[in-house]
Amino acid sequence: KQEVTQIPAALSVPEGENLVLNCSFTDSAIYNLQWFRQDPGKGLTSLLLIQSSQREQTSGRLNASLDKSSGRSTLYIAASQPGDSATYLCAVSTNAGKSTFGDGTTLTVKP
Amino acid sequence: NAGVTQTPKFQVLKTGQSMTLQCAQDMNHEYMSWYRQDPGMGLRLIHYSVGAGITDQGEVPNGYNVSRSTTEDFPLRLLSAAPSQTSVYFCASSYVGNALNQPQHFGDGTRLSIL
Repeated sequence: KQEVTQIPAALSVPEGENLVLNCSFTDSAIYNLQWFRQDPGKGLTSLLLIQSSQREQTSGRLNASLDKSSGRSTLYIAASQPGDSATYLCAVSTNAGKSTFGDGTTLTVKP
Repeated sequence: NAGVTQTPKFQVLKTGQSMTLQCAQDMNHEYMSWYRQDPGMGLRLIHYSVGAGITDQGEVPNGYNVSRSTTEDFPLRLLSAAPSQTSVYFCASSYVGNALNQPQHFGDGTRLSIL
């Protein structure tokens, strides 16, 4: 059974700092890994999707990497802003239509 | 473009009542799914569908039924509500096609309390 772990569970940083969120998974036979953002009381918004054949994806200040062999992914956020405060979740897909989610990292960026 | 729409946003039920959570998407996505989100347990897959007329069970299907008569709609039915089903329910959709590598789009969720 696939298990996804996100560390740390919570993170507080001052505005402007660069930061890294971690995601690890136990079964390396994945199709893709997706990073989401969730604001309080809201649904999930897709940030980046990395296909199993890719090593990284970038969107603006966000960069996600994938190392399938070690079962790890990182989400790098550059020059953090208070608007980046949210919970960040990673999800791995091992079969068509089935995703396993981590519990998320709650990020607070202080002005 | 509305994306994924879930109704209702909030619902309170008594134990033993039944109800249907509605989910509709206007993106012509083949794949739709239902998750529940509980503190400390992340999102867990309840049921999913890869196209009209096709459904399958996820990780926690007991107590829930689904059907997929159209591409757009994927309702989730609680047969006899139990307090353990108090949760936030999310519906998601995505393309399938050549695309196990398409992002999932989520609705805003239904917050359900069972008394």
